[in-house]
Amino acid sequence: DAKTTQPTSMDCAEGRAANLPCNHSTISGNEYVYWYRQIHSQGPQYIIHGLKNNETNEMASLIITEDRKSSTLILPHATLRDTAVYYCIVKGGSEKLVFGKGTKLTVNP
Amino acid sequence: GAVVSQHPSWVICKSGTSVKIECRSLDFQATTMFWYRQFPKQSLMLMATSNEGSKATYEQGVEKDKFLINHASLTLSTLTVTSAHPEDSSFYICSARTGTWYNEQFFGPGTRLTVL
Repeated sequence: DAKTTQPTSMDCAEGRAANLPCNHSTISGNEYVYWYRQIHSQGPQYIIHGLKNNETNEMASLIITEDRKSSTLILPHATLRDTAVYYCIVKGGSEKLVFGKGTKLTVNP
Repeated sequence: GAVVSQHPSWVICKSGTSVKIECRSLDFQATTMFWYRQFPKQSLMLMATSNEGSKATYEQGVEKDKFLINHASLTLSTLTVTSAHPEDSSFYICSARTGTWYNEQFFGPGTRLTVL
């Protein structure tokens, strides 16, 4: 069973920030939060992961609440190519990646 | 870096034949590889986990005699769908991970299998 809850779908205007929420209220101390995305008919693409501190890379920022029960993936300037299904996954280091249903993000022109 | 390739990208076969799909880590050594299956409009479902040089571990409900997995080297894993049937038509995706703890998994582009 997926350990996370995400909205089924979201819309965002091109050029604006896309904020994708994820609830993981049962996360344990040694589990990380991972974000992947899947563009239609392609393999998933790694975006970012974090434990408790906020993280940023060239693709996105990950904001994790202090109690670690939820997080938000931020795409600062969404483009049409960011349209994809975004998966928030919680797992420990040696565990397998188990995908839930994710959030279908549609970036509109 | 961290590129995973799959071959073929798509395949069409007749019912009853066997199909082999290759997964390669191009610029890193993958101690563990994973095979996923994805039906239309559904999420990825993990089929099996394989470690180099040992037998694959299959998820519940996945027939190990039907989906043969070989992970003979640190850069290559193969999935053979034996005696394929139309219900095996799906998008098969492999993933590779190094032995480093907490390292992210890298995914291949997927293979679209259509069984007629």
